[in-house]
Amino acid sequence: AQSVTQLDSHVSVSEGTPVLLRCNYSSSYSPSLFWYVQHPNKGLQLLLKYTSAATLVKGINGFEAEFKKSETSFHLTKPSAHMSDAAEYFCVVSREYGNKLVFGAGTILRVKS
Amino acid sequence: NAGVTQTPKFQVLKTGQSMTLQCAQDMNHNSMYWYRQDPGMGLRLIYYSASEGTTDKGEVPNGYNVSRLNKREFSLRLESAAPSQTSVYFCASSEFPGINYGYTFGSGTRLTVV
Repeated sequence: AQSVTQLDSHVSVSEGTPVLLRCNYSSSYSPSLFWYVQHPNKGLQLLLKYTSAATLVKGINGFEAEFKKSETSFHLTKPSAHMSDAAEYFCVVSREYGNKLVFGAGTILRVKS
Repeated sequence: NAGVTQTPKFQVLKTGQSMTLQCAQDMNHNSMYWYRQDPGMGLRLIYYSASEGTTDKGEVPNGYNVSRLNKREFSLRLESAAPSQTSVYFCASSEFPGINYGYTFGSGTRLTVV
């Protein structure tokens, strides 16, 4: 069965500094992996997805993630945080042709001015 | 572009009351989903409909029923609400079953059962 562990429930960074949100996954299949962002009182927006193509995936708003099979990780990074990045981020795993997404518990990102 | 529209946005119910959460999408997507979000647990799938005319249970279906009314609409019904169903409910849709097509989420319904 697939599972996702987000290693930090809260991350706090200063504006202009790098962002690292960590995600480890467990899957007995070739996984597809996603990062979603949820701003307060909003729905979830897809940031990026990995579906067995390039291991370094670029997403919207300057975010990117690297799929590392040997480490079973899919960490989300951004070189320079912006105040508008403050939100909750979810790492998600699914089988390539499955209907079901398995969500991590979420990481709340705080950006300090 | 409305995307996925959920109504109502907020609701307070008394234990034992019933209600239906509505969801509609205008993207001509085939598949629709209902999730609930609880603190520290991410989103969990309640029910999904891979295509018009079909529905299937997800991870946490107990206490809920669904209806795929047509291609656009997918409703979630609580027949007898319980405090454990206090949550934020999200509807989502995708062009086809399968994650390669991406999911579009609504903005959620915040339900409190007292």
